[in-house]
Amino acid sequence: AQSVAQPEDQVNVAEGNPLTVKCTYSVSGNPYLFWYVQYPNRGLQFLLKYITGDNLVKGSYGFEAEFNKSQTSFHLKKPSALVSDSALYFCAVSLASGGSYIPTFGRGTSLIVHP
Amino acid sequence: GAGVSQSPSNKVTEKGKDVELRCDPISGHTALYWYRQSLGQGLEFLIYFQGNSAPDKSGLPSDRFSAERTGGSVSTLTIQRTQQEDSAVYLCASSSPDSRGGYTFGSGTRLTVV
Repeated sequence: AQSVAQPEDQVNVAEGNPLTVKCTYSVSGNPYLFWYVQYPNRGLQFLLKYITGDNLVKGSYGFEAEFNKSQTSFHLKKPSALVSDSALYFCAVSLASGGSYIPTFGRGTSLIVHP
Repeated sequence: GAGVSQSPSNKVTEKGKDVELRCDPISGHTALYWYRQSLGQGLEFLIYFQGNSAPDKSGLPSDRFSAERTGGSVSTLTIQRTQQEDSAVYLCASSSPDSRGGYTFGSGTRLTVV
């Protein structure tokens, strides 16, 4: 079975400061990893993914994430937060092969960026 | 189409009534997923379709829930005899067969059972 843990329900950061939203995963094989963002009353929007290759992945809106296989983590980062980054963030994992590719999502982390 | 389309966007129904939720995936995406998002909760997997294969129904919470996908495209999620605990946002997503491109989500259907 695969699982995702987002240990923080909420992250607070001041505008202009760096932000990190944590994600750890468990999967029996090589993972595909994803980050999605959800604004109020909207569906999930794709931010970035790790499939293979470089461990540092760059995505939309200046976000990036680092795949760390030894720590089974895929933390989302941004060097300088914007108030408009305030939203709900979801990490997801699926099995790269030998499975059905059904993604498992974390419970989500609410990011609040203060002016 | 350009994105995943879901209808209706909002649905209010009386307890005990049946409802149908529709999802129109991205053209060419053979994989289709239904998830449920309850208030303050994460995404709960419901059902997965991949091409002509038998669907993975392992996430359906009860036999009141069913889904079909006609012609490998549009999908309908049906909830019979709705209960108040069925109130949630129902999200549909589609992807290429190997999901390497990620999953594209629709805007969801907000279901309220009164």
